[in-house]
Amino acid sequence: SSELTQGPALSVALGQTVRITCQGDSLRNHYATWFHQKPGQAPILVIYGKNNRPSGIPERFSGSNSGNTASLTITGAQAEDEGDYYCESRDSSGHYVIFGGGTKLTVL
Amino acid sequence: EVHLLESGGGLIQPGGSLRLSCAASGFTFSNYAMTWVRQAPGKGLEWVSSISGSGDSKYYADSVKGRFTISRDNSKNTVSLQMNSLRVEDTAVYYCAKIHYYDTSGFIESWGQGALLTVSS
Repeated sequence: SSELTQGPALSVALGQTVRITCQGDSLRNHYATWFHQKPGQAPILVIYGKNNRPSGIPERFSGSNSGNTASLTITGAQAEDEGDYYCESRDSSGHYVIFGGGTKLTVL
Repeated sequence: EVHLLESGGGLIQPGGSLRLSCAASGFTFSNYAMTWVRQAPGKGLEWVSSISGSGDSKYYADSVKGRFTISRDNSKNTVSLQMNSLRVEDTAVYYCAKIHYYDTSGFIESWGQGALLTVSS
C-alpha cells in the first residue's frame, strides 16, 4: 500500500500532551518525517529520522515508530503549535514521496 | 540559511502550459536533490516530482506523469517545473523544497513560500 492515514483533527488543552498518529505499510521500512503548517504558510520540518529535531524546533516535539505506525508527540502543547500536521514517507523504492492527509490540531 | 523562492505562477486556461522556477541560495545547490509539492485550496500536501542533485534521476507522481517535466540548472542554482496540458485539478500552491541528500530518497528539509497556479477558463 502507498497510503498514509492520519486522523483529521485533534484538540489538546494548553500545556497538555497530544499524540498525532500516522499509519501505513511504508512505515515498516521508512521513518516518517513530520511537518507543521500554519494557515497561509509553508510547511516546516519538525521531526525526521528515528527522532530528530531540526535546529529551532522545541524539545516538546518528539517522534516514535512502531510497526506500521508513526507518532508525533507534543509534550506541553503551546498555542503556537496549532495548525496542520503532515506525516511523510516513501514507497518501497524510496524515491516516490507519500503524504498523509494531515491532522488539524487545535490548542484549547 | 536556506532560501527557496518560487516564481512563474499565475492564471492559465485549461490545456495551457506554464513553467515554474525556484531560485535556491544558502547551500551548495548541486549537492542536494530537489522536489516539488503542491497543495490544492483547502486540501493536503501532494508530491509532484523530484530530481537528484545531478539531474540524472527524475521521478513523477502518476497524476502529472507525461504532462510535467522537472529540470535543474546547477550553474544557476535553479530548479524548474514545466507544466503542459494543464487541468483545472492542477490548481494549487506549488512548493519547491530541498531534500536532505544528493539522492531523492532523503527527507524533505526546507520549503519555499510557494507559487499559486490557477487553471481556469
